[in-house]
Amino acid sequence: EVQLVESGGGLIQPGGSLRLSCAASGFTFSKYAMSWVRQAPGKGLEWVSGISTTGGSTFYADSVKGRFTISRDNSKNSLYLRINSLRAEDAALYYCAKWSRYDGNSDFFDYWGQGALVTVSS
Amino acid sequence: EIVLTQSPGTLSLSPGERATLSCRASQSVSSSSLAWYQQKPGQAPRLLIYGASIRATGIPDRFSGSGSGTDFTLTISRLEPEDFAVYYCQQYGSSPLFTFGPGTKVDIK
Repeated sequence: EVQLVESGGGLIQPGGSLRLSCAASGFTFSKYAMSWVRQAPGKGLEWVSGISTTGGSTFYADSVKGRFTISRDNSKNSLYLRINSLRAEDAALYYCAKWSRYDGNSDFFDYWGQGALVTVSS
Repeated sequence: EIVLTQSPGTLSLSPGERATLSCRASQSVSSSSLAWYQQKPGQAPRLLIYGASIRATGIPDRFSGSGSGTDFTLTISRLEPEDFAVYYCQQYGSSPLFTFGPGTKVDIK
């Protein structure tokens, strides 16, 4: 059974930093790209960042570029998101998602964690 | 940047009725890049459809996807009580890499 378990969320002051983690199990982690998707309270889904199987390629939404850093440790089956210079608009539930590809060009998220809540307040 | 628009914003229907949800892209997209998700309150999204029309593992056949170019549709043939939720379409492209629509809420009439 595929499981994705996020941790590291909390209440952070504006301008602060934190690192989210995602522990993966139930699949060969090193064979799949991974992503982070966030959802502000009462709002829709927003893709934030993605990373290739080896970590050699990383991708970011313009809204977080330069402030967020995605990384992974395949030896630990873990995905990370470092968030710096937190803003009020970064407050959201951050989901870790397994990025799958079908037939070479159909990309989607087939498994999601339950999310880590990031609250930004002074 | 491709923008996805979903309509209607809210769809009020009764169990047993047919639901038709629309996702429109601001420019033509590859059918293979279009996916649909279901999200219930307090839960993570769940993949329903990928490649515009391929049901994900374990998804009942009352869910179907269709469309091409800029217009895509998710159809629920007969609504079950557990189908009342928010539905999002998602597109994979260039920049940003993934885009989600704003969602359609299907609620009980």
